Amino acid sequence: AQKVTQAQTEISVVEKEDVTLDCVYETRDTTYYLFWYKQPPSGELVFLIRRNSFDEQNEISGRYSWNFQKSTSSFNFTITASQVVDSAVYFCALSEGGGADGLTFGKGTHLIIQP
Amino acid sequence: DVKVTQSSRYLVKRTGEKVFLECVQDMDHENMFWYRQDPGLGLRLIYFSYDVKMKEKGDIPEGYSVSREKKERFSLILESASTNQTSMYLCASRAVSGQGINSPLHFGNGTRLTVT
Repeated sequence: AQKVTQAQTEISVVEKEDVTLDCVYETRDTTYYLFWYKQPPSGELVFLIRRNSFDEQNEISGRYSWNFQKSTSSFNFTITASQVVDSAVYFCALSEGGGADGLTFGKGTHLIIQP
Repeated sequence: DVKVTQSSRYLVKRTGEKVFLECVQDMDHENMFWYRQDPGLGLRLIYFSYDVKMKEKGDIPEGYSVSREKKERFSLILESASTNQTSMYLCASRAVSGQGINSPLHFGNGTRLTVT
């Protein structure tokens, strides 16, 4: 069975600090996809990134970067020079193989950026 | 831009009532999903639909049913609402792309249901 663990329930940092959100996953499939979503206070989940299991290259998008390591089954998310607008709940999710039945989500990490 | 619209942002219902939560997407997506979100539990899949008139149980289908008579609309039905169904309900849709069906889910704003 697939599982996603986000061990950090809540993280609070001061603006401009760097912060890393951890995500560890479990799956028996060799083909799978990993996702990160952001849920701001307004409630709508916003898609941030998707990676497939065959592409371990790290990705950077502005202040956001993602570190995918199959050896440790982790897909961590780093925000550099955090801003107050980054305050949100962040979810890591997994889709196995065919992926027809949606995503399995972690419980989320509530990130608080203090001014 | 994909638009997933949930008909109500907030809903208050009484125990035992039959409740309908409506979701409409405007991008001709084949797959649609209903999740519920609870503090400390994350998102849990209730039901999903591959296409019109098709439905599959998710991880927590008990007490719920769904209807998908048209491709753009996916309804979640609480046959007899109970207080433990007080939650945030999130609808999502997804295109089945040529490269496989692991494309991202697009979510609506959610319906916060309170059952008293």
